[in-house]
Amino acid sequence: GNSVTQMEGPVTLSEEAFLTINCTYTATGYPSLFWYVQYPGEGLQLLLKATKADDKGSNKGFEATYRKETTSFHLEKGSVQVSDSAVYFCALSGSGGYQKVTFGIGTKLQVIP
Amino acid sequence: EAGVAQSPRYKIIEKRQSVAFWCNPISGHATLYWYQQILGQGPKLLIQFQNNGVVDDSQLPKDRFSAERLKGVDSTLKIQPAKLEDSAVYLCASSLDPPSGTDTQYFGPGTRLTVL
Repeated sequence: GNSVTQMEGPVTLSEEAFLTINCTYTATGYPSLFWYVQYPGEGLQLLLKATKADDKGSNKGFEATYRKETTSFHLEKGSVQVSDSAVYFCALSGSGGYQKVTFGIGTKLQVIP
Repeated sequence: EAGVAQSPRYKIIEKRQSVAFWCNPISGHATLYWYQQILGQGPKLLIQFQNNGVVDDSQLPKDRFSAERLKGVDSTLKIQPAKLEDSAVYLCASSLDPPSGTDTQYFGPGTRLTVL
């Protein structure tokens, strides 16, 4: 079945540092890939998505590129801020008709001033 | 635009008791999801509705969990009787289009259940 593997946290960075959160997946066909973010005390919200190979999703300075050859969808940001502190979830949905979304375990990011 | 509403936000019960959670999706959203998120894990889909019909309930423990979405709008998720391992955050989400896997899901704040 489909699965998502993401790096375990917590990840602690200083403000303005470069961020990478690794995510790899297992799925047949051509899944859609997502990053969701959960800020403290809030619900999950979609951060970015990519629906086909080589697509780059981007939002709020975050980027992730759909790499089919390495089955990866790593999240990056060039300069993190304290306000980026949150839990980040990588997720996928399979291709072909109805497919449920499968989430990774989440990576907690803490940015310190 | 109002978001997905859930209540209660927190609930503490003893094992073998029953509990119910309520969700009101974003207006006009046809698809509604219930997820269970155990501490340290990602959300796991319990049940998905398309209007008032069930699309997927393959991971719903049907001996103790039930859910309904009468009239295709709000929904309730019930646990009866609760077990210790049901302690988790229960998330409700909704999306606009029929489930194709690429639709953006909008999540509510969740209900944190503690079973003692």
